[in-house]
Amino acid sequence: KQEVTQIPAALSVPEGENLVLNCSFTDSAIYNLQWFRQDPGKGLTSLLLIQSSQREQTSGRLNASLDKSSGRSTLYIAASQPGDSATYLCAVRIWGGSEKLVFGKGTKLTVNP
Amino acid sequence: GAVVSQHPSWVICKSGTSVKIECRSLDFQATTMFWYRQFPKQSLMLMATSNEGSKATYEQGVEKDKFLINHASLTLSTLTVTSAHPEDSSFYICSARSFDEQFFGPGTRLTVL
Repeated sequence: KQEVTQIPAALSVPEGENLVLNCSFTDSAIYNLQWFRQDPGKGLTSLLLIQSSQREQTSGRLNASLDKSSGRSTLYIAASQPGDSATYLCAVRIWGGSEKLVFGKGTKLTVNP
Repeated sequence: GAVVSQHPSWVICKSGTSVKIECRSLDFQATTMFWYRQFPKQSLMLMATSNEGSKATYEQGVEKDKFLINHASLTLSTLTVTSAHPEDSSFYICSARSFDEQFFGPGTRLTVL
């Protein structure tokens, strides 16, 4: 059974700092991995999608890496801003017919001005 | 990215009544849609997967007669919570798949009195 773990559960940083969020998964047989952002009381916003054959994806100040063999992904946020404050969720899509996304519990990020 | 809408964004109802939540993919066709439930400070729990024109597939422990899902078209899925009770109060989020990526609606906050 695929399990996704995100560390840390919460993170507080000063504005301008570069930071890394971690995601690990137990079964390396994944189809792809997605990073999402969720603001309080809101739905999820897709940030980056990495296919299993890819090593990384970039969008603006965000960079996500994937090491499938070791079951790890990282989300790098450069020059953090207060507007980046949110919960960041990592999810993997399993190979083998299932269309389910398996989610981690998220990392709650607070960027202090 | 693709846009998914949900209606209503919040609803308050009396115990014993039924509530219908709509999920629409606005700028793409989605053969597969998903319904999630999220408890406070928890990650998303997949309730069911619906494919256009066929019966939904429910996750273990989710009552299909309680949570009726209809995916009548490629852009619309509905979730009906029948005979709602206070324990059904939660945040319900729908999602639609476009190729390899999943996009989420803004969520519906259901409060059952």
